[in-house]
Formats: sequence, C-alpha cells, structure tokens
Amino acid sequence: DAKTTQPNSMESNEEEPVHLPCNHSTISGTDYIHWYRQLPSQGPEYVIHGLTSNVNNRMASLAIAEDRKSSTLILHRATLRDAAVYYCILRDRLNYGGATNKLIFGTGTLLAVQP
Amino acid sequence: SAVISQKPSRDICQRGTSLTIQCQVDSQVTMMFWYRQQPGQSLTLIATANQGSEATYESGFVIDKFPISRPNLTFSTLTVSNMSPEDSSIYLCSGESQENTEAFFGQGTRLTVV
Repeated sequence: DAKTTQPNSMESNEEEPVHLPCNHSTISGTDYIHWYRQLPSQGPEYVIHGLTSNVNNRMASLAIAEDRKSSTLILHRATLRDAAVYYCILRDRLNYGGATNKLIFGTGTLLAVQP
Repeated sequence: SAVISQKPSRDICQRGTSLTIQCQVDSQVTMMFWYRQQPGQSLTLIATANQGSEATYESGFVIDKFPISRPNLTFSTLTVSNMSPEDSSIYLCSGESQENTEAFFGQGTRLTVV
C-alpha cells in the first residue's frame, strides 16, 4: 500500500497561515490524496481531497506537487479551533470497496495553535 | 452529508463481559467501518461491515472477539466480547457512500474495562 509521511507535530500562531506537509513518494496514478482532521474528543472529519490540481474549499486549500509525490494542506488563517491531528491519506478511487480504498490512518500531524 | 450516532457514548465494563455498540446513520451509506483508537494513538481499522453478509476483518482482528452485524444500509453493531483491560479504547464507526468522496464518523464510544 502507498504510504504517507507527515511530521509528528507543528505549531502555529492564531490568525497566521499554516502549511502542513505530506510526502507520498510511492503514490499511484489512481490514488487520491485525502485529508482528515480529528479535533480533541471527536471522531475524524473530512477536510479536503484532490488528485492532481490544487483544490480549495471553505475549510482549507490543498496544494499538490507536479510529480504528486508530496502535497501541502494550507489553513489560511489558523484559529484555536483548528488545533487537531491532521491525517494525510491515499485512497484508490478506482478500487472502491477494495483493499486499497479503505481509509487507513497513519500517525498524522498534531497541530498546536497558540493565541 | 451524513450524521452518525453511536450508543453508548461511554461505558465501564467488568472483564469477561461483552458490550454491543450501536451505530446509526441518518441516511443510507454503501460502506460502514469500525475502528479502534487506543489512548494517544491513531485509528486502527477493525473491519468493514457488509450488509447482509459477514464482516471483513483486518489482520489481528477476529469475528469471535469482535462480531459485527449490519442488517441494513443505515445500521451496524460491533460487539466487544469477553473483554479484558486491553480492550479499553475508543471505538468509532464510520460510513460513506460510493457517490461521495468523504467518510463520516461517529463521536466514538469510550470503553473502559475494569
């Protein structure tokens, strides 16, 4: 299975942008890059996903390297509520329901936001 | 989107007993999954709950210990059998539809075995 590598932890200041990196050097052509986050004492929640092009939604932006071997989740203005563990996960959308499409969580990046 | 409710939200159980956790989704979902999250750790996938057939278990998890039911597209149960203190953990249910690209999670069930 293609794996991802993320820093264990990062710190940010409130109202500043945050760039959370993810390396996935063995990504396959059909793997989508998904990001989830888990706030304290809650279940994970979906943040964003993409294949090749950069993506934006109301929560964040996803910047994908041209060779797709790395990506960066961008929180444009961090708030205290964004303190969470952020998970970068690869999913093979062509194999829906199959072994390579399951949502497998790595260790993620623990983001601390300072006021 | 889908809202996933789990019951109970927490429980303290005696070793050797069993606990059944319920997961209810407010809309039909194609796939449902059960995860375990031990204190300070990431989520570990236990199994895929298949409607109308036996669940598909991940390596290290067996049906006798974690029987799973999924009678329809909106409901599933996970039973933690013959519990020991090592089973103390948070158990989470998730669901997703084939048309969607995101999974939805319940708030989890915090289980303590004494």
